[in-house]
Amino acid sequence: QVHLVESGGGVVQPGRSLRLSCAASGFTLSSYAIHWVRQAPGKGLEWVAIISHDGSNKYYADSVKGRFTISRDNSKNTLYLQMSSLRAEDTAVYYCARVNIVASIGGSFDYWGQGTLVTVSS
Amino acid sequence: DLQMTQSPSSLSVSVGDRVTITCRASQSISNNLNWYQQKPGEAPKLLIYATSNLQSGVPSRFSGSGSGTDFTLTISSLQPEDFATYYCQQSYSLVTFGQGTRLEIK
Repeated sequence: QVHLVESGGGVVQPGRSLRLSCAASGFTLSSYAIHWVRQAPGKGLEWVAIISHDGSNKYYADSVKGRFTISRDNSKNTLYLQMSSLRAEDTAVYYCARVNIVASIGGSFDYWGQGTLVTVSS
Repeated sequence: DLQMTQSPSSLSVSVGDRVTITCRASQSISNNLNWYQQKPGEAPKLLIYATSNLQSGVPSRFSGSGSGTDFTLTISSLQPEDFATYYCQQSYSLVTFGQGTRLEIK
């Protein structure tokens, strides 16, 4: 059974850093691209970043480019989102989600984690 | 940037109603359009992928159609468990979500 479990959220001061993790199980992680999507309280879904199945391609939303870094360790079945220079507007639930097509960046998100809440506040 | 405009933003409906939600892309996205359902406190759930393909386990009262720039999600007969927020998402050029459509009980 496919599972994605995010961790690492919490309260952090503006300007500080935080690293989120997404632990994958029940499938061969190295075959799938993974996205990070966030949702501010009471708001809609916002795409954040994607990493290809082998880590060779990474793309970011303009709102986080230069501040966030996506990475993966397929040997540990884990994805990461390193977030730096955090701002109040980065406050959101962060989800990792799997692309439904093997070795493809494009496609729908067939499995999602439960999300981890990041609150940026002084 | 590719924009997705979803309408309406909210809809008051009753059990048994036929519901249609529309999503318009700012440029052609072929059939690279997906639909998700999200209930409060839960992660989104994939309903329809590639415009019209029903995800495994999703009831057949959900259907999708369209191509190019205009797409629709239809719920043929609304059930109590369908009250939720629905999002469209383009996967033609990276990812963009629509603003969401919240179904409310009339």
